[in-house]
Amino acid sequence: EAGVAQSPRYKIIEKRQSVAFWCNPISGHATLYWYQQILGQGPKLLIQFQNNGVVDDSQLPKDRFSAERLKGVDSTLKIQPAKLEDSAVYLCASSPTGASNQPQHFGDGTRLSIL
Amino acid sequence: ILNVEQSPQSLHVQEGDSTNFTCSFPSSNFYALHWYRWETAKSPEALFVMTLNGDEKKKGRISATLNTKEGYSYLYIKGSQPEDSATYLCAFNTGGFKTIFGAGTRLFVKA
Repeated sequence: EAGVAQSPRYKIIEKRQSVAFWCNPISGHATLYWYQQILGQGPKLLIQFQNNGVVDDSQLPKDRFSAERLKGVDSTLKIQPAKLEDSAVYLCASSPTGASNQPQHFGDGTRLSIL
Repeated sequence: ILNVEQSPQSLHVQEGDSTNFTCSFPSSNFYALHWYRWETAKSPEALFVMTLNGDEKKKGRISATLNTKEGYSYLYIKGSQPEDSATYLCAFNTGGFKTIFGAGTRLFVKA
């Protein structure tokens, strides 16, 4: 079974620039998550999709962050414009149905540095 | 605001030592508690999912216990090896698809 694929692995941009991350979940997984992990903190859920619908985006800074999951498969997360405090690892994860007793399967993450 | 606390923040042990970490979570609205291992430059890997008070899970030298009434879980590693060096994350699930992660315990095992 192929795992969760994310790209790019690393990204360095200047503040006020834009950046986009891509995620391809495990085939057949209905639930897709985007997390932001700032150094020294736990992963924080930004947005959760169930197929192509949004289940929870309460912690997504909607003035600069956007995400979509067209056709309920791949997803992209965009930041525009980036701020210094956006420097973090962005993790994508998926699970079969999103049930609480299902573990999440993570990608390798994208490490974003804002100069 | 729901909060998940992990302690200690970091831990340095010698190869062969046994060690344990704590995850504290709200005792109300409990659905599941997850443990993940996150090695540097890799993706977080699921270790255990626990749902019932008193649950005990084991995978090789690693085991975990769960107390939902008092809101804590312990992760134990017996005979630590250098390859156990990683960040160990716990995640608390409430109903309604909500997952809250702790900040993790970073384990360093010296050969």
